This record gives sequence, structure tokens and C-alpha cells, in this order.
Amino acid sequence: GEDVEQSLFLSVREGDSSVINCTYTDSSSTYLYWYKQEPGAGLQLLTYIFSNMDMKQDQRLTVLLNTKDKHLSLRIADTQTGDSAIYFCAERPGGSQGNLIFGKGTKLSVKP
Amino acid sequence: EADIYQTPRYLVIGTGKKITLECSQTMGHDKMYWYQQDPGMELHLIHYSYGVNSTEKGDLSSESTVSRIRTEHFPLTLESARPSHTSQYLCASSDLKAGSNEKLFFGSGTQLSVL
Repeated sequence: GEDVEQSLFLSVREGDSSVINCTYTDSSSTYLYWYKQEPGAGLQLLTYIFSNMDMKQDQRLTVLLNTKDKHLSLRIADTQTGDSAIYFCAERPGGSQGNLIFGKGTKLSVKP
Repeated sequence: EADIYQTPRYLVIGTGKKITLECSQTMGHDKMYWYQQDPGMELHLIHYSYGVNSTEKGDLSSESTVSRIRTEHFPLTLESARPSHTSQYLCASSDLKAGSNEKLFFGSGTQLSVL
């Protein structure tokens, strides 16, 4: 079945760039998403990218998509302590009825 | 700002009790979900619904049940709580009319502890 993989932990220094990586298996994925979960809260949609795009930028966030390698990344420029959270990658499988498939989440720790 | 609410925020209860976790959304979304989240972060889909009178089991087997009598309300019930049910429960909704670009809106979660 479809699967989404991401590394579990990432630690960076404040002001550096963070890059969170994700791989997926479904070649017919339509949309791919990044969600952020702050401590004690639910998930919040950060950004998404359609499968016919290879890059999307939104302020400090850059999403890169390589559909050939089925690789998605989220770059956060000038990482702040407020960016410390769990980041989930998710894919929308091909077909109109499939539920989102989430990765296990990457915990980003930002050190001052 | 997402308009999806979960109550209670925290619940500590004894083994064998019946509990209902509430979830309501005011966005008119058709599809709603319940996820169980491990302490290790992983999300497990336990129930979902396409609309009124629709309920489906998710990927993770669960002893809970759900109902969808109104579009805005999707409560989850545990008939007899056990310590193994201790977890964070997250409710979410999405607009089916968005087609393939299904954006989920999440509530803040209910942290359930069963003693």
C-alpha cells in the first residue's frame, strides 16, 4: 500500500535554515501537504503543492517536489524558536475517494 | 482560522466508564475524521464520515464508535474505557467539494487518560 516516510527528528540553530524531507510511494499522488503541530494543539495546514509543480514558495517556506524520485522537502529560512513543532508530510493518493496518508512526523527543535 | 471544536480538552477517567468525545465544526464541511495520536507522534485514522448518516472505519481497528446525525457534529464514544485507550484524539474536517485538494482542518484535540 501507499506509504509516506520522514525522519523523526531535526535540530537546528536559530537563524539557520531547516530542511525537512519526505518520501512517498504513490506515483499517482495529486496533492502533497505539509502540516505543523505545535505542542498541545491540533495540526495546522502550512502549505501544499500540486503534483505538476516542482517548487512553491510562501514567505520563509519553500516546498520542493521531485515526482521522479517521489521526494518532497520543506525548507524553512531563518528558523525561529517559534518554528519548533512537529511537521507532518501528507499525500493525497490518486482517485477521488482516498484519505490523506500522513508520515509519522518530524520533530523540529530550534536551539537559541 | 479553523472553526472546529473539541471537548473536553483533557479527560481523566476510570476503567470501565462510558465516555463521549465531542467534535463540532461550523464550516459546513461534509467529511469528518477521528485520528488517534501516539505519544510517539504517529497519527492513526480510526473513523471517518462522508456526511450525514455515513460512518466508516479507518485504518486502525478501534473499540470506539461514531455517529453523524448532523453535518456539524461527529461524536466518538467509548462504551467501556480501558488504560489502552489512553491517547490524544484529534478530530478533523474537510470540504469534499474541493475535489482532489483536500485540506484538513483539525481541532485542538482531547487528551484522554484512563486509569
